[in-house]
Amino acid sequence: GAVVSQHPSRVICKSGTSVKIECRSLDFQATTMFWYRQFPKQSLMLMATSNEGSKATYEQGVEKDKFLINHASLTLSTLTVTSAHPEDSSFYICSAPTTGKGHEQYFGPGTRLTVT
Amino acid sequence: AQSVTQLGSHVSVSEGALVLLRCNYSSSVPPYLFWYVQYPNQGLQLLLKYTSAATLVKGINGFEAEFKKSETSFHLTKPSAHMSDAAEYFCAVSPHFGSNQGGKLIFGQGTELSVKP
Repeated sequence: GAVVSQHPSRVICKSGTSVKIECRSLDFQATTMFWYRQFPKQSLMLMATSNEGSKATYEQGVEKDKFLINHASLTLSTLTVTSAHPEDSSFYICSAPTTGKGHEQYFGPGTRLTVT
Repeated sequence: AQSVTQLGSHVSVSEGALVLLRCNYSSSVPPYLFWYVQYPNQGLQLLLKYTSAATLVKGINGFEAEFKKSETSFHLTKPSAHMSDAAEYFCAVSPHFGSNQGGKLIFGQGTELSVKP
């Protein structure tokens, strides 16, 4: 089946620095990818829709300048958390939809970000 | 706007007992509905999905769910719980295929399933 990978799986950074998270579709092309954030013991909240070759679409309340998304190719989307702060510590998960009907998503394994 | 409500943030059952995880949705158009399972520090794995075909949907690991339009529900069941079923379960809704919001998933709050030996 389709596989989505994320790198890194865990990252610890200091407050004020930037962190880049990669999301790759390994055996299929994805013109659209989605980025979610999940705080401990909470649900997934959609942050933004990453569109290959165009600007990302952000959900209400998500800061575009803080969470930079680049969809450089049909198999890679990156999320950069700029000037990270402890409150940005979270589990970030990406997903890519299949091309068939039903909007089935394949999810990456997630990236645990800890900002100290 | 679409939304999903999962009743009960935590459900505990004994091994071998029936598992019932509740999900109600709100949607102005016929939705696609999903159940995902998440193990600690991992991504989500699809258990099953409803895409306007059969109302009773069978998924992996012995799980199934029934779409009831009159009740706007999509409850997840498994006849006999196994220790390995202990995880977080999420119900999700997506706009009907063809809408301009294709692919977006709106998740419920999640239900943590514990299985006692």
